[in-house]
Parts: sequence; structure tokens; C-alpha cells
Amino acid sequence: QQQVKQSPQSLIVQKGGISIINCAYENTAFDYFPWYQQFPGKGPALLIAIRPDVSEKKEGRFTISFNKSAKQFSLHIMDSQPGDSATYFCAAQSFGNEKLTFGTGTRLTIIP
Amino acid sequence: NAGVTQTPKFRILKIGQSMTLQCAQDMNHNYMYWYRQDPGMGLKLIYYSVGAGITDKGEVPNGYNVSRSTTEDFPLRLELAAPSQTSVYFCASSPGTGFWTQYFGPGTRLLVL
Repeated sequence: QQQVKQSPQSLIVQKGGISIINCAYENTAFDYFPWYQQFPGKGPALLIAIRPDVSEKKEGRFTISFNKSAKQFSLHIMDSQPGDSATYFCAAQSFGNEKLTFGTGTRLTIIP
Repeated sequence: NAGVTQTPKFRILKIGQSMTLQCAQDMNHNYMYWYRQDPGMGLKLIYYSVGAGITDKGEVPNGYNVSRSTTEDFPLRLELAAPSQTSVYFCASSPGTGFWTQYFGPGTRLLVL
């Protein structure tokens, strides 16, 4: 099963709060999990990525948490800012496979 | 580097018309991809290429064709446009297999009426 399930579909968070987006997968062959950020009118761009040999990766205000046994991973945005308002896609890939499998996206809106 | 460029930015087609969406990259990437993005549906892979002269189908290839005669260019051809092809189309490129970042173009918005 190649599907990656992402939730929620949309999310509104107050400025300074924590934004959390969740993804789940079925294919145990997946071993690379990137998150892409897309601003309106632009193409997606890589934000942060994780391999399953670690349970957490942090880059600035952005953190990926990974639970291998549950086959779930999530993106946490700390101290969310209006500039973080965008659509976020989780994705998964297995080594040697040229293709990424994307989640359905989460539209994040940060309100003042 | 311009990265990944796409033309046109926006196009309206009538049902049954054909058109080619252009994609070019100047990063010397071997891998190139075409996706379509529909609201609430994420990114669906249409076709991809692992090098000049080599293409393969993705998840939703019906109604589309591609060619890859050079490393730089990867055009997507729509034959006999249908309303179901109304979407935003993104081209992406990647240096190689394994865990490489995909770099996306700005997209082409297509409306079929």
C-alpha cells in the first residue's frame, strides 16, 4: 500500500502557538520522510526531512517526530508566525525508488 | 541558476484542444517529474523520467504524454483536453535516486472549458 494519510486538511493556529500536522503510512519499505512547504502561487519546496533511524529532527522552529512502530510522523511548528501560513505536504519514499508518495496536504493559517 | 522553469503560467483550453506544457531545468538533474495538484488531493505523479530518452508512467498518466530528448527539457503533452484535466501542473527535478530533494517549478494553471 503506497498511501500516505495526512491530517488535518486545514488548521488555524494563533500566532505564537504550536502547529501540529500528522501523517501515517502503511508501506514498511518507506525509509525517508520529507515535508514540503508550499506558498500560494508557488511550487512546493523541501522544508525538513527525517530518516527512521532517529525519532526526532529539529531545524529551527520546525521539528519532525517519528514513531516507527506506529508508522506515523508529524510536523511541529513552534512559535508559529503569520509567515508560516502555507500548505504543508508530508511525503514518503523508499530507497532506490525514484518516486515520492505525497499526503493530501494541510492548509495552515496563522492568525494574529 | 533559474532552477526549474515552466511555461505558460496559465492557459484556458477548450474541450478537445491539445497543448504542450513546457518544463526546463538548468541544474543538470537526471530525474524529472510531472505532477498535477487538485484541491484536497495532494500531488499526483503523472509521468517521470530518469534520464534523456527514458520515461515511465506515474499514478495518473491517462490523457497525457511525455518525451525527454535532452537532460534539460521534459514537456508534457495533453491530447484532446477534457474538463477533468483542469488542474495545476508542477514539474520537478532531482539529482538522482536515493534521498534527493525534488525541486519544483512555479506551476502551470490549466482550465479546460
